Amino acid sequence: GENVEQHPSTLSVQEGDSAVIKCTYSDSASNYFPWYKQELGKGPQLIIDIRSNVGEKKDQRIAVTLNKTAKHFSLHITETQPEDSAVYFCAAAQYNNNDMRFGAGTRLTVKP
Amino acid sequence: DGGITQSPKYLFRKEGQNVTLSCEQNLNHDAMYWYRQDPGQGLRLIYYSQIVNDFQKGDIAEGYSVSREKKESFPLTVTSAQKNPTAFYLCASSIPYLAEQFFGPGTRLTVL
Repeated sequence: GENVEQHPSTLSVQEGDSAVIKCTYSDSASNYFPWYKQELGKGPQLIIDIRSNVGEKKDQRIAVTLNKTAKHFSLHITETQPEDSAVYFCAAAQYNNNDMRFGAGTRLTVKP
Repeated sequence: DGGITQSPKYLFRKEGQNVTLSCEQNLNHDAMYWYRQDPGQGLRLIYYSQIVNDFQKGDIAEGYSVSREKKESFPLTVTSAQKNPTAFYLCASSIPYLAEQFFGPGTRLTVL
């Protein structure tokens, strides 16, 4: 089955700096890669996703890149703000089934 | 507003007692899921249901039970057979065979 690894487990940056979180997956059949943001005591919220037919997707300060050959994908947050502080999860799934596998999460802290 | 609701937000249980967590959605999604989240870990799938009156075990189903009598509702019962039930429980829903999952706010269960 699919196995998703996520690094780093914690990340601290200065406000205005960029943050990068990386994930690797094992199942070459996976073709959907979402990123979720979870604030303390709340459920995860989808912030961006990418499908395997594209290599990069951007939404304002957030971007995701995908390298299918190497089986890794990354989340990039530019111009970080204190409200970006949260736990971020990557996940991998096949778009035609419901078996989604999550990484262990990255706790991002943005220092003002 | 469309969304997923979970109740209660906090739940305390004595050892040996069964307890039921509620999950309701008005997104008209056919598929629903239960995940368990432990500190510093990713989400682990307990049960999922792709249609009313049908559900499947996830990776950690032992000690849990579910029902799916209505499209909108997918309650999870944590039984006394679950050895370590203290955790944060998340419910999610999606359109079947589309991978985007939408999460509720979670229930924090503590066994006293």
